[in-house]
Amino acid sequence: KAGVTQTPRYLIKTRGQQVTLSCSPISGHRSVSWYQQTPGQGLQFLFEYFSETQRNKGNFPGRFSGRQFSNSRSEMNVSTLELGDSALYLCASSTDGWEQYFGPGTRLTVT
Amino acid sequence: AQRVTQPEKLLSVFKGAPVELKCNYSYSGSPELFWYVQYSRQRLQLLLRHISRESIKGFTADLNKGETSFHLKKPFAQEEDSAMYYCALRPPTGANNLFFGTGTRLTVIP
Repeated sequence: KAGVTQTPRYLIKTRGQQVTLSCSPISGHRSVSWYQQTPGQGLQFLFEYFSETQRNKGNFPGRFSGRQFSNSRSEMNVSTLELGDSALYLCASSTDGWEQYFGPGTRLTVT
Repeated sequence: AQRVTQPEKLLSVFKGAPVELKCNYSYSGSPELFWYVQYSRQRLQLLLRHISRESIKGFTADLNKGETSFHLKKPFAQEEDSAMYYCALRPPTGANNLFFGTGTRLTVIP
C-alpha cells in the first residue's frame, strides 16, 4: 500500500501571503489529521477531517483552515502568513482505529 | 486540559544497558496512550499503544493510572534504537487527535 503523501515537500512564502498544503491519505483511510511541528512548541494538533467533515479542531487561529474531498484527500490553508507559521506540517491518516500513519511533512518557511 | 510531559530532552545509554524513557500525562478521564518513534530520515510511526499491551522491538510500556505515567522501557538497548521518541495521548472522544509530548532523543552508544 502506498503511504501518506504530502505536497509540496518544501515551500517558501512571504508574510501576508496564503498557502495551501495537500495530503493524500492511504487508500481506504477516511480520517485525516493535521499537525504543526515547531522546535518551540513541538507537535500540535490542528484539525481532523472524517468523511469530508471537520470532526475536531485544535487551538489555532481562524487563519488555519482545511477541507476534505470525497476521495479523502485533504488540504489545509493558512491565510495571512506570519513568521511564526514557519513549521513542518504533518498530516496523518487513519481508518478511524488506533493507529495514525504519518506523511513526510511539508516544510513551510515564511520570510 | 490534557498535557503530556517527557522530562528528558536527551538520553544517552550504552549498548546493552537498560533504557527507560519517561512520560507523564494529565487528563481527567481515561485517555489512550501511545509511543511514536521517528528514526533518522524516516516518518513518525507508531511504536506502542497501551491498550494492546504488546512488546515491539523489545520495548514495553505500562500504563500506571495512579501515577499517570506511561514509561517506555527496554532491558537491553541496541544501536538501532537511536531515534526520537514521542509519548502521545488521545482523548476517549472517538476523534483522531493526538496530544504529543516534546519528545526524547535517545542515543545508544556503541
